[in-house]
Amino acid sequence: SAVISQKPSRDICQRGTSLTIQCQVDSQVTMMFWYRQQPGQSLTLIATANQGSEATYESGFVIDKFPISRPNLTFSTLTVSNMSPEDSSIYLCSAPELGAYNEQFFGPGTRLTVL
Amino acid sequence: SQQGEEDPQALSIQEGENATMNCSYKTSINNLQWYRQNSGRGLVHLILIRSNEREKHSGRLRVTLDTSKKSSSLLITASRAADTASYFCATGTTDSWGKLQFGAGTQVVVTP
Repeated sequence: SAVISQKPSRDICQRGTSLTIQCQVDSQVTMMFWYRQQPGQSLTLIATANQGSEATYESGFVIDKFPISRPNLTFSTLTVSNMSPEDSSIYLCSAPELGAYNEQFFGPGTRLTVL
Repeated sequence: SQQGEEDPQALSIQEGENATMNCSYKTSINNLQWYRQNSGRGLVHLILIRSNEREKHSGRLRVTLDTSKKSSSLLITASRAADTASYFCATGTTDSWGKLQFGAGTQVVVTP
């Protein structure tokens, strides 16, 4: 199974600043995804990180707020821009193994608190 | 919006008992995956069941899928305190290209 790591594991940030979260997969994967989990809630998909092209965002999420990079098949970053306390969440990246419809594995998450 | 609804929202049992949680979904799926999350940490993948499968087992876990009722269940047998966690179902569809939609989750507490 794919092993996914994320950095940082947690951070406390000030309102108005930005944080970039890194996601590293130990093998090449076709797709990578970014999810948000607000306190006490389930996971909501933010976007699909596409290698070599712009990310595809879900309804309610925009590139200006959550710019994403995917420079190669093992790495992606998510930036949370101009943060407000409402952005306090766990951010998780994921990747399905060997294609779109197989087991999908998640990183350990980045717990973000915005003051 | 969430694809799946899970029930119960919370479940409290004693060690040794079985825990059953259910997941219902709205659209046709390609696969359904169950995950465990401990104390707001990362998700641990438990089982994937495909739309043409009816039942799968993994250790103390048993998952069933009824596509006619658009529902799935996760059974944990002989539960342990270490099974205390939140459990989520997530569905993938043929045209979703790997994107998953998550249910609301079931919070399970196993007391010694």
